[in-house]
Amino acid sequence: GIQVEQSPPDLILQEGANSTLRCNFSDSVNNLQWFHQNPWGQLINLFYIPSGTKQNGRLSATTVATERYSLLYISSSQTTDSGVYFCAVEANTGFQKLVFGTGTRLLVSP
Amino acid sequence: DTEVTQTPKHLVMGMTNKKSLKCEQHMGHRAMYWYKQKAKKPPELMFVYSYEKLSINESVPSRFSPECPNSSLLNLHLHALQPEDSALYLCASSQSQGRSPLHFGNGTRLTVT
Repeated sequence: GIQVEQSPPDLILQEGANSTLRCNFSDSVNNLQWFHQNPWGQLINLFYIPSGTKQNGRLSATTVATERYSLLYISSSQTTDSGVYFCAVEANTGFQKLVFGTGTRLLVSP
Repeated sequence: DTEVTQTPKHLVMGMTNKKSLKCEQHMGHRAMYWYKQKAKKPPELMFVYSYEKLSINESVPSRFSPECPNSSLLNLHLHALQPEDSALYLCASSQSQGRSPLHFGNGTRLTVT
């Protein structure tokens, strides 16, 4: 099956700093999503981005499907950004199931 | 507030008990999912329903039994679980199976004693 690797695995930031999270995948995809899981376990969909660039407030994401990676940018980080960021992909194989990456654990300190 | 509602939030059950997890969405989505998440791991797909029919079963043990009574409801029936089944169980829905954003509920934290 498709492999999804995220980097870095852990990240500690001071409030106000910027960061870039990366998601690499091993096969062509027709669906890629970014999620934030807060410390209480709630998973929030940040972006549905199989290709191109999208922005939502302080967050933006870019997927370069031909090179099999996606990036999530967080600017002016806040303590509420803490949690785990997952990318999830659906391989272009017809099975229509989303496979989650290994996650990046982010801690933003005041 | 999440638009996918899961109950209960927490559940403790013995290995001989029978219990059910419930999930409800009113977004008109036609695909619904069960995921299982162990601590410090990514969610793992268990089941997918598309238009109320079971579409994917990821070789889940039969002690987990899904049910989709209608397009808004999804249940997961639990019987004779093992302590290693303790996890966060997440329900999700999407407009259709594949190529549409997934929306998750807040999950049920299950402990099997």
